[in-house]
Amino acid sequence: EIVLTQSPGTLSLSPGERATLSCRASQGISTSYIAWYQHRPGQAPRLLIYGASSRGADIPDRFSGSGSGTDFTLTISRLEPEDSAVYYCQQYGNSPQSFGQGTKVEI
Amino acid sequence: DVQLVESGGGLVKRGGSLRVSCVASGFTFSLTTMNWVRQAPGKGLEWVSSISSGTNHIDYADSVKGRFTISRDNANNSLYLQMNTLRVDDTAVYYCTRGARGYPRRFDLWGQGTLVTVSS
Repeated sequence: EIVLTQSPGTLSLSPGERATLSCRASQGISTSYIAWYQHRPGQAPRLLIYGASSRGADIPDRFSGSGSGTDFTLTISRLEPEDSAVYYCQQYGNSPQSFGQGTKVEI
Repeated sequence: DVQLVESGGGLVKRGGSLRVSCVASGFTFSLTTMNWVRQAPGKGLEWVSSISSGTNHIDYADSVKGRFTISRDNANNSLYLQMNTLRVDDTAVYYCTRGARGYPRRFDLWGQGTLVTVSS
């Protein structure tokens, strides 16, 4: 099973700043089958990024993904208060799929 | 509206059984792989089980294999998870999720979740 390690555990930033979240895989992810999800308290998780860099439906362009192989990044430019959430990376290219442990973004 | 609505959660004693359900609307349920994902209190997301559109492909996480059974009723746009021999560490919010077209383990739609609490 591929293990995903996210860092940092918590990120405390101010509105308008940039957030950079990291996701490192224990082995290479084929064809960049990496997704990022946003989970706000009390809400359903939401798909932000798939294929490492493609934005999901209705996701603002403040959210961007990059990376390949074993190292992937989610960047949130110009943070807004509603971006406070836990962000999870997921690999879905190898079975079983797996999630990272999450990065909490506090604004 | 495109949505998933779970129900059936509640409090059950260790060793007991519970069935949670999910009703889908706004998309062609019968053509879509569906999944259950859970989140234990203070923990991250954990995939639990998947079922293909025609039920010919079913998978379970090792942690629930032999105790949980996933099923679906395409005529009624419904997904189910029968949970038997429940353990305290099965306590979690259970989310119904839709697999993306062509990538069934990428979850492009989530429900609000239903809470299952297993007491000792």
